[in-house]
Amino acid sequence: DAKTTQPNSMESNEEEPVHLPCNHSTISGTDYIHWYRQLPSQGPEYVIHGLTSNVNNRMASLAIAEDRKSSTLILHRATLRDAAVYYCILSGYGGSQGNLIFGKGTKLSVKP
Amino acid sequence: EAQVTQNPRYLITVTGKKLTVTCSQNMNHEYMSWYRQDPGLGLRQIYYSMNVEVTDKGDVPEGYKVSRKEKRNFPLILESPSPNQTSLYFCASSLGHVLGEAFFGQGTRLTVV
Repeated sequence: DAKTTQPNSMESNEEEPVHLPCNHSTISGTDYIHWYRQLPSQGPEYVIHGLTSNVNNRMASLAIAEDRKSSTLILHRATLRDAAVYYCILSGYGGSQGNLIFGKGTKLSVKP
Repeated sequence: EAQVTQNPRYLITVTGKKLTVTCSQNMNHEYMSWYRQDPGLGLRQIYYSMNVEVTDKGDVPEGYKVSRKEKRNFPLILESPSPNQTSLYFCASSLGHVLGEAFFGQGTRLTVV
């Protein structure tokens, strides 16, 4: 299974943009890039996913590098509620049967 | 409201006493899975099911059983729980395992003494 690399932790100030990086140099052509987050004491929550093009939704934006070996989750204005562990996950039609394999993620702290 | 419901939310049990954690989804999803979460080890998949009567092992299936007799339900069975199965368990469902968005339940915190 293709793996992802994320920083262990990041800090942000409230109402400022946050860019969460993810490296996935061994990504295959059929792998989608998914982002989930887990707030304290809750189950993981879907944030966004994409294949090749940049994606936007109400929660965030996903910027995917042209070679697809890295991506960045962008929170446009961080709030205290965005403090969570963010997981970058590859999931495709390959050997893993598309299962969501979670890594350690990035713990985002948001300061008021 | 779209949701995945797990029961119970908290459970303390003794070694060897069979237990079942239920999981139900109301979104007509085909794909369901179980994860356990432990400090320092993150979320690890136990079992998954791609449709009714179709289940397969994840990364840590030892000591667990599952069944998928109906599309909406995917119970996790511990036939003989042991203390190393003390963990936080999450059930998830999605339309398809690649198509995103997976919905997760609120979790079941299990303690085996």
